[in-house]
Amino acid sequence: KQEVTQIPAALSVPEGENLVLNCSFTDSAIYNLQWFRQDPGKGLTSLLLIQSSQREQTSGRLNASLDKSSGRSTLYIAASQPGDSATYLCAVRGGSEKLVFGKGTKLTVNP
Amino acid sequence: DGGITQSPKYLFRKEGQNVTLSCEQNLNHDAMYWYRQDPGQGLRLIYYSQIVNDFQKGDIAEGYSVSREKKESFPLTVTSAQKNPTAFYLCASSKVETGELFFGEGSRLTVL
Repeated sequence: KQEVTQIPAALSVPEGENLVLNCSFTDSAIYNLQWFRQDPGKGLTSLLLIQSSQREQTSGRLNASLDKSSGRSTLYIAASQPGDSATYLCAVRGGSEKLVFGKGTKLTVNP
Repeated sequence: DGGITQSPKYLFRKEGQNVTLSCEQNLNHDAMYWYRQDPGQGLRLIYYSQIVNDFQKGDIAEGYSVSREKKESFPLTVTSAQKNPTAFYLCASSKVETGELFFGEGSRLTVL
């Protein structure tokens, strides 16, 4: 059974810092991996989708990497801003239509 | 603008009542999903549908029911059989080609 872990559960950094969020998964036979952002009381916003054949995806200040062999993905945020404060979730899709979600990392960027 | 619309945003229910949460999408996606989110538990899949008139149980389907009569709509009914229905409910849809998942804004159900 696929399990997805995100460490740390919470992270607090000063504005302007570059940071890395981690996501690990137990079964490397994945179809894709997706990173989301969730603001309090809101739905999830898709940030980046990495297909199993890809190694990384970039969007603006965000870069996500995927290493299937080690069961890891990282989300790199460059030059963090207070507006980046949110909970970040990763989700892994295996052979079925189901995604398995991590519990998220709550990021606080302090001005 | 294309997107997923969930309603109502907030809902209060007395014990023993059934309630239906609406989910409509205009993204022309084939697949639709319902998730439940509880503090500290992450997202758990309730039901999903890959095509009209067909749906499958997710990991926590007991006490819930769904229908998929139209491609755009996937309503979720929380029945009185659901023992702990107070939660944040999220509807999502995805493109078959990429599998990318998109979410609505959520519905918060509170049982009084």
